[in-house]
Amino acid sequence: QLRLQESHSGLVKPSETLSLTCTVSGGSISTTDFYWAWIRQPPGKGLEWIGSVHTTGSTFYNLSLKTRVSISVETSKNQFSLRLTSVTAADTAVYYCARDPAQNWFAPWGQGTLVTVSS
Amino acid sequence: SYVLTQPPSVSVAPGQTATITCGGNNIETKSVHWYQQKPGQAPMLAVHDDSDRPSGIPERFSGSNSGNTATLSITRVEAGDEADYYCQVWIRTPDHAEVVFGGGTKLTVL
Repeated sequence: QLRLQESHSGLVKPSETLSLTCTVSGGSISTTDFYWAWIRQPPGKGLEWIGSVHTTGSTFYNLSLKTRVSISVETSKNQFSLRLTSVTAADTAVYYCARDPAQNWFAPWGQGTLVTVSS
Repeated sequence: SYVLTQPPSVSVAPGQTATITCGGNNIETKSVHWYQQKPGQAPMLAVHDDSDRPSGIPERFSGSNSGNTATLSITRVEAGDEADYYCQVWIRTPDHAEVVFGGGTKLTVL
């Protein structure tokens, strides 16, 4: 059974860079036609897609975050990563990683990790 | 940008049918996916490609998509169905592709 687990980031200071890793177990991240995504949810609010990466390295980003976000995949470690620069309090959220079969739906999801931006 | 509109809340008595809508311009041309999120948990796929259920999702969950509205229906609602529900689509243009989520609907079982 495929499982995804986000690394724990916790507290990030304003203007610094948020970095998270998603570790995939129970299957290969290199499986053809799958994308791997990051999605976030501010406390008490709805879901916001951040971006997706294919195992070939091609990426799609939320245009509202595009200048600050980078998603990459490391097939040798069965992991993919998120970097979000110049964070502000508005970036405080639970961050989820998820699998996306060929730009369709998201399943399964990781359990999520809360990242708080505060000095 | 493409917008998906959901009612903020829906209330239904146990045993009745809950209907949650997701409005979008010509949404019938897109594949709509639905997620259930219970408090403190990650979202879970409930319906994909308008009307298909993943394994493990009860037959009580069904979806449809026509015109400008996609719909998630839950028949014989149980207390355990109380959750937030989100619709989602991929939007593809010649220059870009992106994911859009609806704002979410809180289902309350009375």
